[in-house]
Amino acid sequence: SQQGEEDPQALSIQEGENATMNCSYKTSINNLQWYRQNSGRGLVHLILIRSNEREKHSGRLRVTLDTSKKSSSLLITASRAADTASYFCATDPNSGGSNYKLTFGKGTLLTVNP
Amino acid sequence: DADVTQTPRNRITKTGKRIMLECSQTKGHDRMYWYRQDPGLGLRLIYYSFDVKDINKGEISDGYSVSRQAQAKFSLSLESAIPNQTALYFCATAGGGETQYFGPGTRLLVL
Repeated sequence: SQQGEEDPQALSIQEGENATMNCSYKTSINNLQWYRQNSGRGLVHLILIRSNEREKHSGRLRVTLDTSKKSSSLLITASRAADTASYFCATDPNSGGSNYKLTFGKGTLLTVNP
Repeated sequence: DADVTQTPRNRITKTGKRIMLECSQTKGHDRMYWYRQDPGLGLRLIYYSFDVKDINKGEISDGYSVSRQAQAKFSLSLESAIPNQTALYFCATAGGGETQYFGPGTRLLVL
């Protein structure tokens, strides 16, 4: 069963705009990760945030984590056409040490129009 | 990621056939995983291995088996393929941290 659920399922924006995707999960986590998948290709790791962290940045990416609400958001600023992809959140559902297994959500399909 | 390779990249087979999907990695990672992806369902874990002697079932292992031939190689077999095993299959590896590195995928069609 899916641990994480992304929202929205699909998002279409214009180049230069910001894109925000949300992820909700059900159980306590050790960490939450975001991955990107270009159409039909392998997933690429973007960023990891641990359960004791609230916000993390990497380039144009900003991730927040609210463990009280069991939710995370991924913000992509100044989007580019090349950001068009599916974005997945993945949780390591163990509040103690990592068990090195990830549970993936169904993904958000982001389309950035030139 | 070119460090994780999967063969074949595409495969068409018939119901009842046994097939093997192969994964090789040059990252020196101990942990390896097999996932399947179906449209609209995200990735689901089939099997995972934390070292050559450690193999574990994932969420959806029925109808599948695996073999960890070496640290670098992890193969997935469909004993008797059925149409609902049509999917995109991914191998992934992980080293000392929690990040996973994915291969390019194998697109499997079972007729």
